Parts: sequence; structure tokens; C-alpha cells
Amino acid sequence: GENVEQHPSTLSVQEGDSAVIKCTYSDSASNYFPWYKQELGKRPQLIIDIRSNVGEKKDQRIAVTLNKTAKHFSLHITETQPEDSAVYFCAASTRGGSYIPTFGRGTSLIVHP
Amino acid sequence: DAGVTQSPTHLIKTRGQQVTLRCSPISGHKSVSWYQQVLGQGPQFIFQYYEKEERGRGNFPDRFSARQFPNYSSELNVNALLLGDSALYLCASSSGEGSMDTQYFGPGTRLTVL
Repeated sequence: GENVEQHPSTLSVQEGDSAVIKCTYSDSASNYFPWYKQELGKRPQLIIDIRSNVGEKKDQRIAVTLNKTAKHFSLHITETQPEDSAVYFCAASTRGGSYIPTFGRGTSLIVHP
Repeated sequence: DAGVTQSPTHLIKTRGQQVTLRCSPISGHKSVSWYQQVLGQGPQFIFQYYEKEERGRGNFPDRFSARQFPNYSSELNVNALLLGDSALYLCASSSGEGSMDTQYFGPGTRLTVL
């Protein structure tokens, strides 16, 4: 089955700095890579996703890059703000008989004002 | 536009008891997935249902079961509860169609087993 590794487990930055979270996956058949943000006590919310036919995708201060050859993808947050503080999860999914994402263990992002 | 709803919000049970958790997907979505999230970890896949049929099962014991109803809502049942079953149980809804299907999570049910 798929295995997703996520680093770092904790990331502390100053407001205005950039933050980068990296994930690797094992199944070369994976073709969909969503990122979720989970604030304390709340549900995971999709913030951005990327399909395997795209190398990079941006949405305002958030961007995701995908390297299928190396089997890794990254989340980039620029101009971080205190409200970006949360746990971020990456996931990788393979379309076969079912469509089930495997999640990373999460990165706790702390943005200091 | 209602999102995914789950009930109850919180639940306290004792070891050996049984529990039923409920989920209603986003209107128009036909697939429901269940996840267990232990503190400090990512969601772990339990089941996925599409059009009332089980489409996937994670590495959980037979004490865990689920079903999907004709209106696409779903129930997750856990029998003979153990302390280790204490977790946030998340339901995710998706269209179930197409090759890259986005999942939208409900608020979760916090289960505490004493």
C-alpha cells in the first residue's frame, strides 16, 4: 500500500517568513495530492490540491509543487500570518477500484507575531 | 449549502460497550469514507462506501463495521470498545465519481472510552 512521509513534524516561523512542508510517497501510481489544514478542535479543511499532470499550482499565498520522478511534493506558504498556525496534512491517492487517500502524520506550523 | 454533518459531537463509553456514529454527506455526494484520528497523527482510513457498497477497507479489526443507506448517509459501528478506540472519528464525503475525487470532512465525533 501507499506510504506517505511528512516533514518536519513541527515548524516555527516569524510572521512574514515563508514556510515549506515536504512529503514523500511510495506508490508511483498515486495521482492526486491534497493538502489539508486542521485548526485545534476543528475538521481538516482542504486548502489546495494538485493532480499528477501538473507540476505546480498556486492560490494566493499558498503553492504546491510536485515531482513525480522523485515522488515528493511540497507545500509553500509565503508571507505567513498568525492565523496560518495549524496542523497541515498532506495526502496521496491512487485511483484503482476505490479512491482512498493516505495521510502524512502532520506538521504543526506555529507563526509567531 | 450544508456541509458534511456528523452526530453525536462527543460520546463517552466504557470498555466493552458498543457505539454507533452517524454521518450525512454533502448533498449530491454518493461516497462516504470513515477515518480514525488519534491525537498527534493524521487520519487513518477505516472504510469507504459508494452507492451503498463497500469500496475499501482499512487495517482495522472486525469490531468495526459500517453501512451506507439509500440516502447516502452512513453509520459506523464499533463493538466491544477498547481504551485504544478513543479518538476523533471523521467522516468525509465525496462525489465518488471521476478519477481524482476531493474529500470534504465533517466536524468529527470525539469518542472517549473509559
